[in-house]
Amino acid sequence: GIQVEQSPPDLILQEGANSTLRCNFSDSVNNLQWFHQNPWGQLINLFYIPSGTKQNGRLSATTVATERYSLLYISSSQTTDSGVYFCAVDADTDKLIFGTGTRLQVFP
Amino acid sequence: EAGVAQSPRYKIIEKRQSVAFWCNPISGHATLYWYQQILGQGPKLLIQFQNNGVVDDSQLPKDRFSAERLKGVDSTLKIQPAKLEDSAVYLCASSPARTQYFGPGTRLLVL
Repeated sequence: GIQVEQSPPDLILQEGANSTLRCNFSDSVNNLQWFHQNPWGQLINLFYIPSGTKQNGRLSATTVATERYSLLYISSSQTTDSGVYFCAVDADTDKLIFGTGTRLQVFP
Repeated sequence: EAGVAQSPRYKIIEKRQSVAFWCNPISGHATLYWYQQILGQGPKLLIQFQNNGVVDDSQLPKDRFSAERLKGVDSTLKIQPAKLEDSAVYLCASSPARTQYFGPGTRLLVL
């Protein structure tokens, strides 16, 4: 099956800093989503981005499908950005395979 | 638009007991998923429904886990009997197409 690797596993930032999270996947995908899991466990859908670039406020994402990676950019980070960021993919099965996540801690 | 609802939010049981979780998806979403998330890991799919039919239950431990989706709306996931390793967060998600939307989860602790 598809392997999904995320890096870095942990990230500690001061408020206001920018960061880039990476997701590598081992095969072609039809679906790629980025999620934020907040400290209370709620998974929040950030982007549906099987290819191309999207932006939503301070967050943006780029997926280069031909090179099998996706990047999530967080600019001007805030303490509320803390949590775990997951990349999840599927190859036309509607079955999402989640990566291991990047744990982000933002300090004031 | 209301999100995915799950109950209970927390459950503590002893091993060998049974437990049931309930999920109400977003209105109009045909596809419903149950995931298991063990501490420190990403969610793992247990079962996928399309309306009230099972699409994929290959990862469901069928000797102890069961799930149903009556009338293609609400769903229940049951564990009987529970084992210590079932301690996890059980997440329900629904989808109108490709994008999945998750509920708050049920945290299960098996003692």
